[in-house]
Amino acid sequence: AQSVSQHNHHVILSEAASLELGCNYSYGGTVNLFWYVQYPGQHLQLLLKYFSGDPLVKGIKGFEAEFIKSKFSFNLRKPSVQWSDTAEYFCAVLTGGGNKLTFGTGTQLKVEL
Amino acid sequence: DAGITQSPRHKVTETGTPVTLRCHQTENHRYMYWYRQDPGHGLRLIHYSYGVKDTDKGEVSDGYSVSRSKTEDFLLTLESATSSQTSVYFCATRTNSGYNEQFFGPGTRLTVL
Repeated sequence: AQSVSQHNHHVILSEAASLELGCNYSYGGTVNLFWYVQYPGQHLQLLLKYFSGDPLVKGIKGFEAEFIKSKFSFNLRKPSVQWSDTAEYFCAVLTGGGNKLTFGTGTQLKVEL
Repeated sequence: DAGITQSPRHKVTETGTPVTLRCHQTENHRYMYWYRQDPGHGLRLIHYSYGVKDTDKGEVSDGYSVSRSKTEDFLLTLESATSSQTSVYFCATRTNSGYNEQFFGPGTRLTVL
C-alpha cells in the first residue's frame, strides 16, 4: 500500500529563517502529490500540488516544493518564514486510482518572533 | 472554499450511544470523504462516496457507517460510540475535474466519554 512519511514531527524556527519540510512517499507509479496546511483551529487548505511537468511547484504564500522522482520525495520549502506560518503541514499522495488521498502524519511548525 | 459545512461542530456523548455527523456541500461535487484526525496519525480516511448511494471503505472504517441519499449530503454514523472514536472529523469533497484536489470542511470535534 502507498504510504507517506514526514520525518520532522515538530519544527521550531525563528522568523526569517528558511524552511524545508521532508516528505517521502512509497509508490512506484505515476504520482500526484499535495501539501496542505492547517492553521490553528482551522480546516486544511491546499498549499500546492504536483501532477506533471516542472518538478518545482510554486504555491500560495511563498511556498514551493520540489518533486524528485529518484528520491521519492516532495519536500516543502520557504526561503523566509513568518510568525503567521505557524501551523501543521501535511503531505499527501493521491492513491486508489485517483480517488483517495493518503496523508503523512504531519509536521507541526512553530515560528518564533 | 467549496461551500462545505459540517454539523454539529462540537459534540460530547457517552460510550454506547449512536452519533451521526452531517456534511453538506453546495458545489455539486461527486466525491465526498470522511476523515478522522488524531495526533501522530495525521488524517485517516474512514469512508468515501463516489456518487449517490455509492460508498466505499477507507483505512479505518470499523465502527463507522455512511450514507449518501443526495449529492449534497454525506452522513457519518457511529452506531455505538467508543472512547477510541474521540477525534476531530473532517469532511472533504473532490472536484469533478481531472485535478483531484480535495476541499475540506471546518471539522467536528467529537468527545466520547
